[in-house]
Amino acid sequence: DGGITQSPKYLFRKEGQNVTLSCEQNLNHDAMYWYRQDPGQGLRLIYYSQIVNDFQKGDIAEGYSVSREKKESFPLTVTSAQKNPTAFYLCASSDAPGAGANVLTFGAGSRLTVL
Amino acid sequence: QKEVEQNSGPLSVPEGAIASLNCTYSDRGSQSFFWYRQYSGKSPELIMSIYSNGDKEDGRFTAQLNKASQYVSLLIRDSQPSDSATYLCAVLPNAGGTSYGKLTFGQGTILTVHP
Repeated sequence: DGGITQSPKYLFRKEGQNVTLSCEQNLNHDAMYWYRQDPGQGLRLIYYSQIVNDFQKGDIAEGYSVSREKKESFPLTVTSAQKNPTAFYLCASSDAPGAGANVLTFGAGSRLTVL
Repeated sequence: QKEVEQNSGPLSVPEGAIASLNCTYSDRGSQSFFWYRQYSGKSPELIMSIYSNGDKEDGRFTAQLNKASQYVSLLIRDSQPSDSATYLCAVLPNAGGTSYGKLTFGQGTILTVHP
């Protein structure tokens, strides 16, 4: 079955540590996204990539980094510069420009907690 | 003013009633509108998309769009306890051809359907 796999599902981080969240899709989608969700709030865009080897900052990119070396993979690193990283992180993908471009498919999410 | 704002919840309706969820947006040039359902601890799933003024029906769900009033709503008829979830309104702002997939989400409305 096609879909998006995020790992790990739960992650704990100590102060000052960098952590990387994995996101893999087998939908052959061109675009991939990382969103952050805090309790009682909607989703906020961290980074997005519309093509391999290219990515753009979203609304809240500070303290995060990404790479897009392969079409199917879009890992997110939460660096120690992110002062409040505890949140639910969602990876999504969408098709190339056209009818399906704005329809996002989400992974199951990764919940990060800072100890 | 928030870019996408949803009616404050939580919203509680009895089983079999109509649940009405509302959303306003600030970008007058927005063209694409989506409703996602998110169960507690899970990722969002798309339930409706609407692009033109008027109503769009899919089973028990009806999305309504009024671009002049910058307003989009979701009606759930014959509400069931399984409809209890957070409903997220998402809007694609008008930012040119490269904006595809970069949705702006509202904060969500929690719906509870009680037997």
